Amino acid sequence: ETGVTQSPTHLIKTRGQQVTLRCSSQSGHNTVSWYQQALGQGPQFIFQYYREEENGRGNFPPRFSGLQFPNYSSELNVNALELDDSALYLCASSFGTSGANTGELFFGEGSRLTVL
Amino acid sequence: GQQLNQSPQSMFIQEGEDVSMNCTSSSIFNTWLWYKQDPGEGPVLLIALYKAGELTSNGRLTAQFGITRKDSFLNISASIPSDVGIYFCAGLRGTSYGKLTFGQGTILTVHP
Repeated sequence: ETGVTQSPTHLIKTRGQQVTLRCSSQSGHNTVSWYQQALGQGPQFIFQYYREEENGRGNFPPRFSGLQFPNYSSELNVNALELDDSALYLCASSFGTSGANTGELFFGEGSRLTVL
Repeated sequence: GQQLNQSPQSMFIQEGEDVSMNCTSSSIFNTWLWYKQDPGEGPVLLIALYKAGELTSNGRLTAQFGITRKDSFLNISASIPSDVGIYFCAGLRGTSYGKLTFGQGTILTVHP
């Protein structure tokens, strides 16, 4: 167990709705990254948060947004849901300085989102 | 999309056999990592490699960082049933932030 907890574990939404996913990072970790994993694929980097600011983003549209709180927990928000947003959303925490880290990420179990 | 080519896509082996899988890229990475994902779980870090040519072991697992920085290999010796799962390679460019690029995974099945 990594100490990274995500909620909810499963949820179903309809196209056009909005969703918020939550993540509590491992104790001592100050950086949170979010990944999208489609069925049968490897995880795809969405963005990373360090010191409550986004400091790196993958190839995802602006309707994917996030927050990091002073206790280093994080939220991922997705607006105007599309069918292709159906995936496992993984949160990963790590310790970094100035936002840099070694790539050794500790993943939560994920939130499985189904968009109908 | 994915920039790492991982092979094989799947493997079916007998308990006790050795396993090899590899990952190649058209781009250079400064760090290579290998993760394992069990059903319903997030990926778990197995091995991290930070230097070209580096060979690192973790129990029955051995991984190498290719000299060209464009590839990496993972070997599992004397496989056991709990080795079943999906193995992902991942690369990191620099350390500016933790954007890992993952391969598409190798599905490993071990028959007792």
